[in-house]
Amino acid sequence: GAVVSQHPSWVICKSGTSVKIECRSLDFQATTMFWYRQFPKQSLMLMATSNEGSKATYEQGVEKDKFLINHASLTLSTLTVTSAHPEDSSFYICSARRQGPSPQHFGDGTRLSIL
Amino acid sequence: AQKITQTQPGMFVQEKEAVTLDCTYDTSDQSYGLFWYKQPSSGEMIFLIYQGSYDEQNATEGRYSLNFQKARKSANLVISASQLGDSAMYFCAMREVSHNNNDMRFGAGTRLTVKP
Repeated sequence: GAVVSQHPSWVICKSGTSVKIECRSLDFQATTMFWYRQFPKQSLMLMATSNEGSKATYEQGVEKDKFLINHASLTLSTLTVTSAHPEDSSFYICSARRQGPSPQHFGDGTRLSIL
Repeated sequence: AQKITQTQPGMFVQEKEAVTLDCTYDTSDQSYGLFWYKQPSSGEMIFLIYQGSYDEQNATEGRYSLNFQKARKSANLVISASQLGDSAMYFCAMREVSHNNNDMRFGAGTRLTVKP
């Protein structure tokens, strides 16, 4: 089945640093990748959608300058949390989808803790 | 506006019994897809079952079946013969074809606990 790899799975860093999270589709070409954020005991909230080779589309209320998304190839999208602060601590999950009607396949998520 | 509604924050079921997790949705699209995912405490999202809006038969995948009632806009998940390993969060999700990026929106989730 389709596999999406997300790295790192857990990161702890100091306030003010930038953190990059990678999302790779291992066995298919992902024309579209999605980034979600999940706070404890809450649902997944879509942050942004990225299509290969074009700028990401951000959901209302998500700061595009803070959450930089790059989808440079059909198998890789990255999310960079710039100048992270404790309130950015969350579980970030990416998902990827082929073109056409197909399910979204999720990475295993990244637990981000900002001290 | 809330597109996906899961009204049961938590559910308990006895091992080996069946359980139904409720999901209602709101859309004006004719073409859409409904999904159920399982999220164990480790966090990964596990795809369980899919129902297309034009599918006339209810989807089934092993012990999972989807009770699709289009007129009522409900897509309840039925888990038969519950196992201890079924204890997890369950999310209902919808993807509308008319959405530019066909992104998936999730309900609030239901925490299922299977009792031995």
